[in-house]
Amino acid sequence: SAVISQKPSRDICQRGTSLTIQCQVDSQVTMMFWYRQQPGQSLTLIATANQGSEATYESGFVIDKFPISRPNLTFSTLTVSNMSPEDSSIYLCSVGTTNTGELFFGEGSRLTVL
Amino acid sequence: AQSVSQHNHHVILSEAASLELGCNYSYGGTVNLFWYVQYPGQHLQLLLKYFSGDPLVKGIKGFEAEFIKSKFSFNLRKPSVQWSDTAEYFCAVEASWGKLQFGAGTQVVVTP
Repeated sequence: SAVISQKPSRDICQRGTSLTIQCQVDSQVTMMFWYRQQPGQSLTLIATANQGSEATYESGFVIDKFPISRPNLTFSTLTVSNMSPEDSSIYLCSVGTTNTGELFFGEGSRLTVL
Repeated sequence: AQSVSQHNHHVILSEAASLELGCNYSYGGTVNLFWYVQYPGQHLQLLLKYFSGDPLVKGIKGFEAEFIKSKFSFNLRKPSVQWSDTAEYFCAVEASWGKLQFGAGTQVVVTP
């Protein structure tokens, strides 16, 4: 299994500001994934963070709004830029294991944008 | 378009009752299927998964799910629920490694 730590666990932000969420994993992983869970909705994949290359974004998500860093095999950050109330969500980091195919999730970072 | 549909958004049942949560998916090729659970205040945890082989898979805490390819379904079942099964349950499809598409989730409340 993988233990994933996210910071911050929650934050309240002002419209127009940016916030960076950190994800730390207790083991080296090739790919890390960032998901969003908007209030009352399911999880949606934002992007895949690859070490050594640019992140791959899903349809509807762009790098300017959600820049991602992946400096090494155990760490990634997701920035939510120029926030609006519609960005109020839980943002989750996840990693997978190729031997079991299971995805592990962090506890999430709950953002509220006023 | 690819999609995952969970039939019920909220389910309320009494302890010892049987639970079945429906999940249908729409994908053209081979997929891996998952059920995740999120207990109140906790992070997502894997209940069970299906990759291939026996279409009836058993997971943790007495849950099982049946993959019916012809119906594009992966329904979750538990014969007798407990109060501690109160949680939100998500069906998910993995069309490519690590990229899950989740259903909308089903909030299950088990009353004592």
